[in-house]
Amino acid sequence: QKEVEQNSGPLSVPEGAIASLNCTYSDRGSQSFFWYRQYSGKSPELIMSIYSNGDKEDGRFTAQLNKASQYVSLLIRDSQPSDSATYLCAVTRANTGTASKLTFGTGTRLQVTL
Amino acid sequence: DGGITQSPKYLFRKEGQNVTLSCEQNLNHDAMYWYRQDPGQGLRLIYYSQIVNDFQKGDIAEGYSVSREKKESFPLTVTSAQKNPTAFYLCASSTIRDLAYEQYFGPGTRLTVT
Repeated sequence: QKEVEQNSGPLSVPEGAIASLNCTYSDRGSQSFFWYRQYSGKSPELIMSIYSNGDKEDGRFTAQLNKASQYVSLLIRDSQPSDSATYLCAVTRANTGTASKLTFGTGTRLQVTL
Repeated sequence: DGGITQSPKYLFRKEGQNVTLSCEQNLNHDAMYWYRQDPGQGLRLIYYSQIVNDFQKGDIAEGYSVSREKKESFPLTVTSAQKNPTAFYLCASSTIRDLAYEQYFGPGTRLTVT
C-alpha cells in the first residue's frame, strides 16, 4: 500500500463546475496536510494547507480533512481552464521545531474543459 | 523579491561525471530540502537540512551528497554512483519555528545524463 494515494486521473470537469480531488494516507501519526498545484514542466506551488479536522476555505479552494478516515480532499469551485494541472497531496508527521519530511502522492491530473 | 532560485534550469552531463546543482533562498528559512521527481512518481526526498552544518539523509540519498555552509544555500551534488540520475530536481525551504511546515519550491533543475 502506498503511503499517500491519489487517483492519477485525468479528472475532467466542465468550466464552472466543482472539481473534487481526493487523497488517502496510511500514517495515522500524520499531523499536517498540503495541496500543491503543478503545471506541466513546472515546480509545485503550495495552494492549501490544513492541520485540523474539518474544512478550510481560501477563495475558490476548500480543503477538507478527516483524520479518523485518513483522507484529505480539495474542492475547486467555479473551475477555470487555468486550473488544469496536476494536484499533489502531501502529508507530514512533523512536530514543532523539526524539519518537515513531506510524503507526496503521485498526483491527480485535472482537466477543465470549455 | 523573496524566493528560491535554482540553477541551471537544464543540465546535460555525460555518465560518470559528478554534477552540482545550486539552490539559494532569501526567505530566511531554517530548513532546506532536495527532492527528485520522475515521471509517474511522487516527489522523493533526497536530503534535508534543519540548520547550518547539519543535514540528514532522506529516502533516496544513495549517490548524492550535500553541504550547508550558509543558511541561504544548499547545493546538491549528483555523483557518478547515482545509477539513474536523469530526473527533475526540486529544492524547497521552510520555517521550523511554528506549526506551519509549509514548504516552498524553487523552479527546479532538469538533469539529463547520457
